[in-house]
Amino acid sequence: ETGVTQTPRHLVMGMTNKKSLKCEQHLGHNAMYWYKQSAKKPLELMFVYSLEERVENNSVPSRFSPECPNSSHLFLHLHTLQPEDSALYLCASSLGASGYNEQFFGPGTRLTVL
Amino acid sequence: DAKTTQPPSMDCAEGRAANLPCNHSTISGNEYVYWYRQIHSQGPQYIIHGLKNNETNEMASLIITEDRKSSTLILPHATLRDTAVYYCIVRVLTTDSWGKLQFGAGTQVVVTP
Repeated sequence: ETGVTQTPRHLVMGMTNKKSLKCEQHLGHNAMYWYKQSAKKPLELMFVYSLEERVENNSVPSRFSPECPNSSHLFLHLHTLQPEDSALYLCASSLGASGYNEQFFGPGTRLTVL
Repeated sequence: DAKTTQPPSMDCAEGRAANLPCNHSTISGNEYVYWYRQIHSQGPQYIIHGLKNNETNEMASLIITEDRKSSTLILPHATLRDTAVYYCIVRVLTTDSWGKLQFGAGTQVVVTP
C-alpha cells in the first residue's frame, strides 16, 4: 500500500468509447505522473503535473487527455483509442516535482482496447 | 541521463544474498544511481539511491565502485516476495529538474525455495 490508488484496476473498452482513469494520492504530494507500460517494453513517461500545472507532455497522442483538478487527483481521459494502446497505465506522485523527490506508484490500470 | 546495462535475468536461492549488477560507464559526476523494483502486475517501488558512497536501508544495500561506472544492489536475505524486475536508473538531481525516471528493461530476479 503506497498511498496512491488507481481506479478502475481493469478496463476493457472499444475504439469508439470514452473512458477515464482516476488516480488519487493520500500522501500530501504536489507532483503527479502518468506512465504507460506496454507488454515487454520499458515504462514510458506520459505526463507530469506539478502543483496542478502540466510540466511535461512526452509526445503523447491527443487521444490521451490528462486532467489534474487538484494536487490529490489526476485523471487520464481516453477517447478513440487504438488496440496498440492496450497497456498497464501507472500513476505516481512525489512530494514535489524536483528531481530529489521519490516517486510512489499506484497499482496501475490494466487497459484493453478491442 | 546516462544509460544503464543490466543482465536480463538471474536466479537466487531463498535466504541467500542476491547481488544485482548494473553498468553505467557514461555516468556524469552529478548523476545519482537509483534502484526500483516492480513485482508482477504492480507499480514500481523505490528501493534505494546513492551518489558515490555506499548506502544501506531496511530493504537493501547499494555498492558503487570508486570510479562510479558500475554498482551492485544487494538484497541480503532474499525471500520469495523479492521476485520482481529490478531497475537501475541513473539520473541528474537538481532542484529544478522534475523527477523524470527513465526505465530500461531491468533484471528479472526469480527467488526459488
